[in-house]
Amino acid sequence: AQSVTQLDSQVPVFEEAPVELRCNYSSSVSVYLFWYVQYPNQGLQLLLKYLSGSTLVESINGFEAEFNKSQTSFHLRKPSVHISDTAEYFCAVSDHTDKLIFGTGTRLQVFP
Amino acid sequence: GAVVSQHPSWVICKSGTSVKIECRSLDFQATTMFWYRQFPKQSLMLMATSNEGSKATYEQGVEKDKFLINHASLTLSTLTVTSAHPEDSSFYICSANPQVNTEAFFGQGTRLTVV
Repeated sequence: AQSVTQLDSQVPVFEEAPVELRCNYSSSVSVYLFWYVQYPNQGLQLLLKYLSGSTLVESINGFEAEFNKSQTSFHLRKPSVHISDTAEYFCAVSDHTDKLIFGTGTRLQVFP
Repeated sequence: GAVVSQHPSWVICKSGTSVKIECRSLDFQATTMFWYRQFPKQSLMLMATSNEGSKATYEQGVEKDKFLINHASLTLSTLTVTSAHPEDSSFYICSANPQVNTEAFFGQGTRLTVV
């Protein structure tokens, strides 16, 4: 079985500051890793994913995450956040069956 | 990207009645769809895997007689909350994968309030 831990339930930052949202996972098999973003009362949107290949993956809006197998981590980073990045961020793993196991989520709050 | 549509976006029903939520894949076929439940300020919990043409697979602790799932076609899965009670109030979200072992696409969610 897989599990996902997001250590930070809330992360407050000022606009243009860097941010890191932490995600650790546990699994006895190889996994796919995902970051999803959720705006209030909406479904989830894929931010980025790691399936194979390069361990550093990037999104089109400046986020990046690095798969670290030895540390079983997939932390999400952005060098400079915007007000519009305020949302709930979920880390998720899949054991290649398309079922997703989600972390508890991190609320990113960006202040002006 | 692929589009998954859920209907309705929100619904209010009386205790004891049943509510049906639809999940459609608009531009791809999905032999499998997933139903999640999200309580306020909490994560998504997988409820069941909807399989086209066969019975759904429920996660441990989910009552199959209360949450009826039907996947009658390759583009539609429905979740029916039967004899709803206030504790069933939640945000229900479906997802589907256009291709196996790639990312899931989510519906916009359905906010169910049982009064």
